[in-house]
Amino acid sequence: QSALTQPASVSGSPGQSITISCTGTSSDVGSYNLVSWYQQHPGRVPKLMIYEGTQRPSGVSNRFSGSKSGNTASLTISGLQAEDEADYYCCSYAGSSTYVFGTGTKVTVL
Amino acid sequence: QVQLVQSGAEVKMPGASVKVSCKASGYTFTSHYMHWVRQAPGQGLEWVGIINPSGSGTSYAQKFQGRVTMTRDASTSTVYMDLSSLRSEDTAVYYCAMGELDTSFDYWGQGTLVTVSS
Repeated sequence: QSALTQPASVSGSPGQSITISCTGTSSDVGSYNLVSWYQQHPGRVPKLMIYEGTQRPSGVSNRFSGSKSGNTASLTISGLQAEDEADYYCCSYAGSSTYVFGTGTKVTVL
Repeated sequence: QVQLVQSGAEVKMPGASVKVSCKASGYTFTSHYMHWVRQAPGQGLEWVGIINPSGSGTSYAQKFQGRVTMTRDASTSTVYMDLSSLRSEDTAVYYCAMGELDTSFDYWGQGTLVTVSS
């Protein structure tokens, strides 16, 4: 159960779009449409942003969207805002009632 | 509203065990699985395991097999995570988390800091 691979950091200017990748294997990301994404501000509890790969919970801005291709899931933030600056983590079901998180990505708004 | 309230911070010696509790309210306790996730200082999130509050079935990350035990008390809507043979690398904030769908985490406890130090 190795952690899913995410870029350590991604940055963008206000108003731009950025995409965070989350690469797993055919045993986790590639086998299930069960990737979720979490936003975590410093000192705060993680917040669910996307579930089941593409679904947004009620109350989450439609600037956040998810997708998947093969063994890689992605989170796109469009119209980047200062409040989006945070750490982001993906998480995938990995079979046999187990889950695995990504390594995390720090998003910086320039 | 859903609330997950965890027990307070703990300081333990290497080799000791720690038991963290998570009391749930605002929903039917036996209807949703409960996960445990940890985060070492300055590090990322790490999935520890899951318990089915209905039947007590559990599943743990391979890394913690043999050292972690998750239990529940349906009468008090509380789940517990017991981690033994503690080492300094276990120093982390431990969260309980659950979701409307059992495959994502909508709700999180406030976190419990476990410090392992001699």
